[in-house]
Parts: sequence; structure tokens; C-alpha cells
Amino acid sequence: DAGITQSPRHKVTETGTPVTLRCHQTENHRYMYWYRQDPGHGLRLIHYSYGVKDTDKGEVSDGYSVSRSKTEDFLLTLESATSSQTSVYFCATARQGIYEQFFGPGTRLTVL
Amino acid sequence: GIQVEQSPPDLILQEGANSTLRCNFSVSVNNLQWFHQNPWGQLINLFYIPSGTKQNGRLSATTVATERYSLLYISSSQTTDSGVYFCAVGGMNAGGTSYGKLTFGQGTILTVHP
Repeated sequence: DAGITQSPRHKVTETGTPVTLRCHQTENHRYMYWYRQDPGHGLRLIHYSYGVKDTDKGEVSDGYSVSRSKTEDFLLTLESATSSQTSVYFCATARQGIYEQFFGPGTRLTVL
Repeated sequence: GIQVEQSPPDLILQEGANSTLRCNFSVSVNNLQWFHQNPWGQLINLFYIPSGTKQNGRLSATTVATERYSLLYISSSQTTDSGVYFCAVGGMNAGGTSYGKLTFGQGTILTVHP
């Protein structure tokens, strides 16, 4: 695998609070992605990064922002968490030229 | 957007049986992956197969890109094969780049009984 870790692995928070999830990779992959997984929807792309400080929106980006200040870290921020953002969040990476994605272990987020 | 349809949605097998999972997609793709999500939620890469045929032990996959479908074959199934199998595809943008973004199907839930 691509040596991907996510932190925290589990989090419970309250509506209206800010939350930041971290994805860290040790493989020097150029591309990084955030997905959410919900029952009945499979995995859906939130945001992705194609290089340091280069990010773009995915299919379900409303309410989320991201930052990538260095190759190895990709942060996902919920500025003001809502109950609809209760989900399992997965980070993935891929290297340039070969788009095979490798996934981290996931973060289970519960917003009360 | 890209449409990805997987069939069947659910599959129940006895240990030792063979099975075929199908993935239909709506666009030309430059990336197609099969994943197994185990009961602990981990997504395990099975195949990166935008075209052609690959085999890995009891599993094999074939993608016919011109006809926009892919098949995953599981032979001599084992209880440890249980879980959800996802097909995910990535298509080309109009500008010729896709940045590897994937669109996932809904998955096939496989249950293998001893």
C-alpha cells in the first residue's frame, strides 16, 4: 500500500463546531483525494489535489474546504459541522502518470 | 456525470462456488479499479484494469473498454471473500486530463457461507 494514515480515526463532535481531518502519506504521490462513504451512496469525491497548493472541488464539496501545504499532507476541514456530514471519510493517493488509487483506513465522523 | 452500475447488488454463495460481478460504465475511461471492502471497512485494491485481462490467484478481471464494461471473476470462493466489491472508473476531461478522479458504483455485497 501507499503508506497512508488518517487522523483521527474516530471523532464525535457537535453541530456547528469546526473539524479538521488529516491525511498523511509517505510515498511522495502527487495526487490526493478525499471521499465520503454513506449507505446507499457508495463513495463520493469531496475534493482532490493535483499538487502542493493545487486543489479542486469534487462531486460533493459544499460545506468542505481543503488545504495542501506540502506533498505528504492533505487536510479536510468542515468549517461548521452539520449532522448531514456524519459519514466515513476516506483519503486516497495516486502517483503521476499512473492513476491507481490507494486508500487510507478511513475516519468515522459523527456529528450530533 | 459518469454513471457506474454494478450488478448484482447482492450475492450469496456457498464456499467453493464461482461468481461473476459486472460493472457497466457510461464513458470512455482511462482508469478502472476493483476494490474489496472488508467487514472492518478497509478498502483493498484488487485490480487496476482500464483495459485487458488480469489474474491474481483466485480472482481475475476483464475490462472491455470499447463496450464499456468490466467483469470480476471469483473462483472457489471462501468466507474471507465476503464484503462489498466496488468498481470505480475515471474518465477523461475535455482538456485531456482527469487527475485520476474516480466515480464509484454502488457495490456488490457478497456473502459466502461455509
